[in-house]
Amino acid sequence: AQSVTQPDIHITVSEGASLELRCNYSYGATPYLFWYVQSPGQGLQLLLKYFSGDTLVQGIKGFEAEFKRSQSSFNLRKPSVHWSDAAEYFCAVGGATDMRFGAGTRLTVKP
Amino acid sequence: DAGITQSPRHKVTETGTPVTLRCHQTENHRYMYWYRQDPGHGLRLIHYSYGVKDTDKGEVSDGYSVSRSKTEDFLLTLESATSSQTSVYFCAISGEGHYEQYFGPGTRLTVT
Repeated sequence: AQSVTQPDIHITVSEGASLELRCNYSYGATPYLFWYVQSPGQGLQLLLKYFSGDTLVQGIKGFEAEFKRSQSSFNLRKPSVHWSDAAEYFCAVGGATDMRFGAGTRLTVKP
Repeated sequence: DAGITQSPRHKVTETGTPVTLRCHQTENHRYMYWYRQDPGHGLRLIHYSYGVKDTDKGEVSDGYSVSRSKTEDFLLTLESATSSQTSVYFCAISGEGHYEQYFGPGTRLTVT
């Protein structure tokens, strides 16, 4: 069965510093991979997705993610974090009927 | 933003009472989903629908039922609420051939 692991429950970075959030997945076929962001009290917003092709995908708000099949990873990156990026981030894998989400990584941004 | 609304947004109910949550979409998307979100678990799929009157179970379906009589509405029912069903419930939608899902604002349910 497919699964998603986000090893870091909570990460703190300084504003302006770079960010990398880790995601490892297990999936039986070619994975469809996603990153979502959730601000407090809000629903989830899609940041980016990977279906096929270029393994480096660009998303909204300056985020990017790299698919590495050999490592079963889909890590999210941002070169310079803004205070407004403080939120919870979820990695997900799956298709129309079998989506699985990681437990989430909470990002705190220090001034 | 995708046109998804959930009602009610907050509800407190007592153990043993029935509860129905509603999800309404204006996007005419084929797929609709109900998830629950609990700390440390991320989102877990309860039930989903792939068309009017076509539904199937997800990962954590025990104690829940769903119905979809119109494309735009997907109802989640807790027949007899228990304290373990205290959670935040999210509805999501997805179009045919598009695997990304778009989420509603959530319903916070407390069962006392």
